[in-house]
Amino acid sequence: EVQLVESGGGSVQPGRSLRLSCTGSGFTFGDYGMTWVRQAPGKGLEWVGFIRSNTNSGTPEYAASVKGRFTISRDDSKSIVYLRMNSLKNEDTAVYYCSRGTLAGFDWGQGTLVTVSS
Amino acid sequence: QSALTQPASVSGSPGQSITISCTGASSDLGNYVSWYQQHPGKAPKLMIFDVTDRPSGISDRFSGSKSANTASLTISGLQAEDEADYYCSSYTTNITRVFGGGTRVTLL
Repeated sequence: EVQLVESGGGSVQPGRSLRLSCTGSGFTFGDYGMTWVRQAPGKGLEWVGFIRSNTNSGTPEYAASVKGRFTISRDDSKSIVYLRMNSLKNEDTAVYYCSRGTLAGFDWGQGTLVTVSS
Repeated sequence: QSALTQPASVSGSPGQSITISCTGASSDLGNYVSWYQQHPGKAPKLMIFDVTDRPSGISDRFSGSKSANTASLTISGLQAEDEADYYCSSYTTNITRVFGGGTRVTLL
């Protein structure tokens, strides 16, 4: 059974940084691209970015709203994908989900809440 | 503002069929359209990928299609558990993904 577990969320002040982790199990992690999606309270889904599998270049892509502030990386030896978030803004407050796949999200974690507030 | 446009709500009676539309620019709506179901407080769940394909375990009451710049999700034989929010998504020519604004499905 595929499982994705996000961690690292919490409350942070504007301008600070936070790193989220997503640990995968039940599948060959290195074979898949991984995606981050967020959902602000009461709002819809927003694509944050993805990272391709290392056999497919391992490169990331980002939404315009986070480009230059967020960085996605992966450690296939640990089956973890990371989302490093710098210069956080109030509007980054959301539940952050990781999902397996880049063209579509085949499996999803339960999400981790990030609250940016002074 | 979402690059993909969905109706805010769609409703139907139990047993009926409903269709949710997802409209975008030609550069936004390619062959990698996917649909997600989300119940309150839960993670999204993939219902359709690559426009028409269903993941294993998804009921054949759910079907996807696309014509020109509009993709559609049809739910046949509407059931109580189908009440949820539905989102379309597409992989764009700009090598990004976009989501629609979401559609709330309610049973009458």
